[in-house]
Amino acid sequence: AQSVTQLDSQVPVFEEAPVELRCNYSSSVSVYLFWYVQYPNQGLQLLLKYLSGSTLVKGINGFEAEFNKSQTSFHLRKPSVHISDTAEYFCAVSQVRKLIFGAGTRLAVHP
Amino acid sequence: DVKVTQSSRYLVKRTGEKVFLECVQDMDHENMFWYRQDPGLGLRLIYFSYDVKMKEKGDIPEGYSVSREKKERFSLILESASTNQTSMYLCASSEPGMLETQYFGPGTRLLVL
Repeated sequence: AQSVTQLDSQVPVFEEAPVELRCNYSSSVSVYLFWYVQYPNQGLQLLLKYLSGSTLVKGINGFEAEFNKSQTSFHLRKPSVHISDTAEYFCAVSQVRKLIFGAGTRLAVHP
Repeated sequence: DVKVTQSSRYLVKRTGEKVFLECVQDMDHENMFWYRQDPGLGLRLIYFSYDVKMKEKGDIPEGYSVSREKKERFSLILESASTNQTSMYLCASSEPGMLETQYFGPGTRLLVL
């Protein structure tokens, strides 16, 4: 069975600083990979997804992620964060008919 | 825009009560899902359905059942609520053939006393 590991449970960062949220998955076959964001008191919203093609994927709100097959990673990055990016971020990998989610990373942006 | 709505944002129930959580989507999606979200555990799949009257167990189905009588509605049932079912419950739906891109409702925070 596939699994997803989000290496940091919490990431504090100052406003306008760059950030990277790390995600590793376990799979020996082709996968689809996703990042979702959950703002306080809301459901999850799709940030970006990798299905095939270019390994650098751009999403909403200035986020991007890079698929690295050799390292089985799909790290999420933003060059300059805003206070409004404070949220919980979930990495997910596809498995037949389902998504497998990581435990989440709480991003806290400080002024 | 896809809209997934859940019947309650907050719910307080007593141990042993039967609890119904309702989810409705307005985009004619065939696939619907119920998750629970707990701190440090991420989202865990309880049940999913890929068609009316069809259901499949997810990773943690014990203590739950589901009902899908109409395409747009997917209900999660706690037959006899227990305190360890206190959690955030999230419903999601996806288009046919696009199983992976799921659209989520706002969640129901359930407290079982």
